[in-house]
Amino acid sequence: DTAVSQTPKYLVTQMGNDKSIKCEQNLGHDTMYWYKQDSKKFLKIMFSYNNKELIINETVPNRFSPKSPDKAHLNLHINSLELGDSAVYFCASSQDIFPRETQYFGPGTRLLVL
Amino acid sequence: TQLLEQSPQFLSIQEGENLTVYCNSSSVFSSLQWYRQEPGEGPVLLVTVVTGGEVKKLKRLTFQFGDARKDSSLHITAAQPGDTGLYLCAGLHNAGNMLTFGGGTRLMVKP
Repeated sequence: DTAVSQTPKYLVTQMGNDKSIKCEQNLGHDTMYWYKQDSKKFLKIMFSYNNKELIINETVPNRFSPKSPDKAHLNLHINSLELGDSAVYFCASSQDIFPRETQYFGPGTRLLVL
Repeated sequence: TQLLEQSPQFLSIQEGENLTVYCNSSSVFSSLQWYRQEPGEGPVLLVTVVTGGEVKKLKRLTFQFGDARKDSSLHITAAQPGDTGLYLCAGLHNAGNMLTFGGGTRLMVKP
């Protein structure tokens, strides 16, 4: 009965590889987000989708490509992984476009690029 | 540029003590949120403050939004080990639709 789930929880990979992180929410929310939390715990938004449409795209390298096959899923694909991509990536969802609604975060995916 | 500064960064106290953590900025926010994040989990929203000077209470936690809406504080009374975690503040600018997070205060409450 997890509200926002992410897979995998841990991801260790080599530089240059391509990887994907999946996110699913069963809350019936219309808006989903990807955040990156660095080693100093700063949490920064990367993308936001509302009803499968991109509404926020922060200054993120184009190696990062979000994909929303439906309202309940927002996946993040990363090409040509770099050392600096190592971080915890959080998916979140809200009923409507923030700021009107509370965001619910997933448990995070810990990515380590070697 | 770090718009939200949280202090202290780390705090280790004994059970039963009181504490206050701060979230400061030179920017004005239309609203400010406080989250708690436990190890291995995502942040969980504790409270949203909207009005300058607003005070909200959540059991032993008291949140205050500064009069000028540039800063906020979180006061915990009689801390318990279950309060251990990373406390994050996040502000929303006027007409914005993105949260700006602070760097967090890592609290450890020892039994």
